[in-house]
Amino acid sequence: EVQLVESGGGLVQPGGSLRLSCEASGFTFSAFNMHWVRQAPGKGLQCVSYISSRNSATHYADSVRGRFTISRDNAKNALYLQMNSLRAEDTAVYYCARGEGYGGNSYWFDSWGQGTLVTVS
Amino acid sequence: DIQMTQSPSSLSASVGDRVTITCRASQGISTYLSWYQQKPGKAPKLLIYAASSLQSGVPSRFSGSGSGTDFTLTISSLQPEDFVTYYCQQSYSDPITFGQGTRLEIK
Repeated sequence: EVQLVESGGGLVQPGGSLRLSCEASGFTFSAFNMHWVRQAPGKGLQCVSYISSRNSATHYADSVRGRFTISRDNAKNALYLQMNSLRAEDTAVYYCARGEGYGGNSYWFDSWGQGTLVTVS
Repeated sequence: DIQMTQSPSSLSASVGDRVTITCRASQGISTYLSWYQQKPGKAPKLLIYAASSLQSGVPSRFSGSGSGTDFTLTISSLQPEDFVTYYCQQSYSDPITFGQGTRLEIK
């Protein structure tokens, strides 16, 4: 069974930092692109960042580029999101999600973690 | 960025009804369209991918159609557990973007 378990959320002051983790199990982690998706309270879904399986290429939303860093440790089956210079508008539940598709691209997210809440205040 | 617009934003219906939710892309996205269901306090769950492919384990009352800019999610006979929120998502180009959501309410 595919499982994704996030941790590391919490309350942080504006300008502060947090590191989120996502522990994966039940599948070959190194073979999949992995994504962070966030949802502000009462709002919709926003893709924050992803990292590819092949060469660990990364991509960021404009709103977080230069402040957030995504990384992965395939030996530990773990995904990370280092968040610096946090702002009130970063307050959200952060989900890690497995990307599925073909040709090395993610076209849909077939497994999600339970989410971890980040509050910037 | 490709904008995804869902309609309606909310919908009232009854158990047993057939309902359709529409998603429109700001430019053509072929069939790079997925649908998710989200229950309160839970992570989204994949229902449909590639516009019309049913994810394993999802009940057959859910179906998707469309290509280009216009897509639909249809629930053929609403069950009590279906009265939650639905999102469409395009993956034609980065950044991947979602619709604003459609909340399905019991009439």
